[in-house]
Amino acid sequence: QSALTQPASVSGSPGQSITISCTGSSSDVGGYNYVSWSQHHPGKAPKLIIYEVSNRPSGVSNRFSGSKSGNTASLTISGLQAEDEADYYCSSYTSSSIVVFGGGTKLTVL
Amino acid sequence: QVQLQQSGPGLVKPSQTLSLTCAISGDSVSSNSAAWNWIRQSPSRGLEWLGRTYYRSKWYNDYAVSVKSRITINPDTSKNQFSLQLNSVTPEDTAVYYCARGWVGAEIWGQGTLVIVSS
Repeated sequence: QSALTQPASVSGSPGQSITISCTGSSSDVGGYNYVSWSQHHPGKAPKLIIYEVSNRPSGVSNRFSGSKSGNTASLTISGLQAEDEADYYCSSYTSSSIVVFGGGTKLTVL
Repeated sequence: QVQLQQSGPGLVKPSQTLSLTCAISGDSVSSNSAAWNWIRQSPSRGLEWLGRTYYRSKWYNDYAVSVKSRITINPDTSKNQFSLQLNSVTPEDTAVYYCARGWVGAEIWGQGTLVIVSS
């Protein structure tokens, strides 16, 4: 099972919005509403920010939103803040009953 | 709250078996709504899901294709924990290993264990 495809890096200025894409296939992203996004800061435990395509866990800012169209899922962060600078990973359930991650996207807040 | 505490050696020799344990507090390894995962991260391979165990009236395991021939994940209900065994390791298996709870998105993570495969 190949990893999901994410851009290596994205950047934005404070207050702006950015979108990170996560492209798979009909066997994973496109076939199931089990896409998740996690935020990874160096030296800290990863944090789940979106599950089941567009749901936010309790305590996660509503500046984070998720969506899906066909085989591509997207994470949008609005009102960028310095603390949002981190690595972001998508993950999806697959037709093989396993989980696959994306390659990760480094977000830089300019 | 739910916490996961990892334990195990940080150095393993090539061709030997990597063994890690994840102790669960605040939840049960036998929960009918949870799944217990092992995930690793390395600069060369990024974030890689290795496998999981979960209980739905009986025990199930799912494993990543890349490690399927070498991996075993076992629940231990007496100690409320689960373990990872990865056989025949090579330097390519050097990574930070995490245990985590979740079905696809991992909402709870262990602290991570750096495992180096070297003689």
